[in-house]
This record gives sequence, C-alpha cells and structure tokens, in this order.
Amino acid sequence: KAGVTQTPRYLIKTRGQQVTLSCSPISGHRSVSWYQQTPGQGLQFLFEYFSETQRNKGNFPGRFSGRQFSNSRSEMNVSTLELGDSALYLCASSTKQGLNTEAFFGQGTRLTVV
Amino acid sequence: AQSVTQLGSHVSVSEGALVLLRCNYSSSVPPYLFWYVQYPNQGLQLLLKYTTGATLVKGINGFEAEFKKSETSFHLTKPSAHMSDAAEYFCAVSQNRDDKIIFGKGTRLHILP
Repeated sequence: KAGVTQTPRYLIKTRGQQVTLSCSPISGHRSVSWYQQTPGQGLQFLFEYFSETQRNKGNFPGRFSGRQFSNSRSEMNVSTLELGDSALYLCASSTKQGLNTEAFFGQGTRLTVV
Repeated sequence: AQSVTQLGSHVSVSEGALVLLRCNYSSSVPPYLFWYVQYPNQGLQLLLKYTTGATLVKGINGFEAEFKKSETSFHLTKPSAHMSDAAEYFCAVSQNRDDKIIFGKGTRLHILP
C-alpha cells in the first residue's frame, strides 16, 4: 500500500510569488491535514479537509489556502510569499473512522523563500 | 482548547539507559493522545496512541506511554536506549476523532555512546 506522497520535495521561490503544494493520501483515506513545521514554532496546524470540505482551520492568514478533490488528493496554496513562509510543509492522511484516528505523514515539501 | 507541553527541547541519555520524554496536555474532554517520531528529512511516524481502555500503551521499537488523567500526562518511556532512537519526538492531542491533532514543540533525543 503506497504511503502519503507529497510533491515536490523541495522548492525555492522568490518573495511575492505564489506556490502550490500537492498531497496524495493513502488509498481509502478521506481526511487530509496540512502542517507547517519550523524550528522555532514546531508543527503548526494549517487546515484539514474531509470529503472535499474544509473541516478545521488553524490560525494562519488568508494567504494560505487549500482544497481537496473528489479523489481525496489535496493541494495547498500560499500566495504573496514571505521569507517567514520558509518551512517544511507536512501533509497527513487518515480514515477518521471510529477510533482509528492515526495520521500517516508524507515526507514533506521543503519550501525556501528567498 | 487543547494544548500540549513537552518538557525539554533536548534530552540526552546514554546508550542502554532509560529514556523518559515528558508530555503534559490540556483538554476539556477525554483526549486522544499520540506520540510520533521524526527522523532527519522524514515525515512523522506514529509510535503509539491512546484512545480509550488500558492506560498503559505499548508502541513500536520498545516504547510505551502511560495515560495519567489525574496528572494530565502522557510520558513516553523506553527501558534501554539504542543509538537508532536518536530522533525528534512529538506528543500530540486530539479532543475526539473528528478534531484536529495538535502537536507539542517536540523533544530532540540524543543518545550518548
């Protein structure tokens, strides 16, 4: 069974640009969550999608947005990039069925804003 | 709102010694609790989780954790550290299966030869 796949693995963008990151969840998983990981702040929750609907949202500005497609694949978009957006962006998928709440993580996309 | 506090951003133990990583949580309802491990340049991998039932939870790689409601704690232990245990460990909490998972800031475990 394939794991969570995030593309691309590495990305360098210029301040002011926009970027789209992709996440393919494990087959059968309908929940996809996004996290930003930085050395100073640790893992911060961005948002969660379940069956194409945003179900939870963290405390990030509106420049951060996402969506989920009917096949459960998800994309995250950051517009007007700032230097502080440089981070490892992690995607996690889960079934959210019954007590099975385990989240499976991808390897992440490392975004560098210059 | 739920939150997680991990005591110690860095912990060093000798190979073969006891590993103890501390985690305290706050939650307004019975929590779901997790420990994840992250190796360099990798995503997070689940070590163990507590949802309901037995409060002592055994996970992979010889790790275990005990849910103590009275102390709002979920400390991670391993009787004998191995060099391969060197990684960053994250404690996490969720209020129910539909709620987001909130992570602590992580503890980097160093194993001394």
